Amino acid sequence: GAGVSQSPSNKVTEKGKDVELRCDPISGHTALYWYRQSLGQGLEFLIYFQGNSAPDKSGLPSDRFSAERTGGSVSTLTIQRTQQEDSAVYLCASSLEGTVASPLHFGNGTRLTVT
Amino acid sequence: EDQVTQSPEALRLQEGESSSLNCSYTVSGLRGLFWYRQDPGKGPEFLFTLYSAGEEKEKERLKATLTKKESFLHITAPKPEDSATYLCAVRYSGGYNKLIFGAGTRLAVHP
Repeated sequence: GAGVSQSPSNKVTEKGKDVELRCDPISGHTALYWYRQSLGQGLEFLIYFQGNSAPDKSGLPSDRFSAERTGGSVSTLTIQRTQQEDSAVYLCASSLEGTVASPLHFGNGTRLTVT
Repeated sequence: EDQVTQSPEALRLQEGESSSLNCSYTVSGLRGLFWYRQDPGKGPEFLFTLYSAGEEKEKERLKATLTKKESFLHITAPKPEDSATYLCAVRYSGGYNKLIFGAGTRLAVHP
């Protein structure tokens, strides 16, 4: 079956511009996560959605970052006024539930380059 | 501070040369430890979940074990196609919904 789909796969933007990154989770998965992976670094948690519950936004690095999930499916991560330090691979993952027993399935990410 | 540390950062093996990767963690209330494989340009691919000390899981040439402070990923008679970055992650009571990842071990297996 189809896995987690992310678009675009690559995005180059100028400093100060806004960007939107999209994630289509696996059908039927109720939990959705956004992570950021910088070169040589581990994955950094950004935000978590579970069903209709309020999202866990504890990992968002600044108020320039926001995310929404519409209809319990597609999610969009928005970065406003991008900075060079925002350059990274942004990974989306989904799981059947938000429990420990449900492993995360990742997309291939969006590589963001801020010039 | 809650954290996950992986060692070594990089490992080069000859085909057939068995070895182990280490993942040590300092979190309270471990709820699960996860191993993922990541190929260049791809997202991490789930391998194993371990829940309690003494537990072991196997898949082909890979075997994951767990103690109270660390996990090992043993690779037996590796092949070049096992070359990848291996990531360890933990979910713990104080972390609620998120997995904390280590920085990974880059494994290169040469023929």
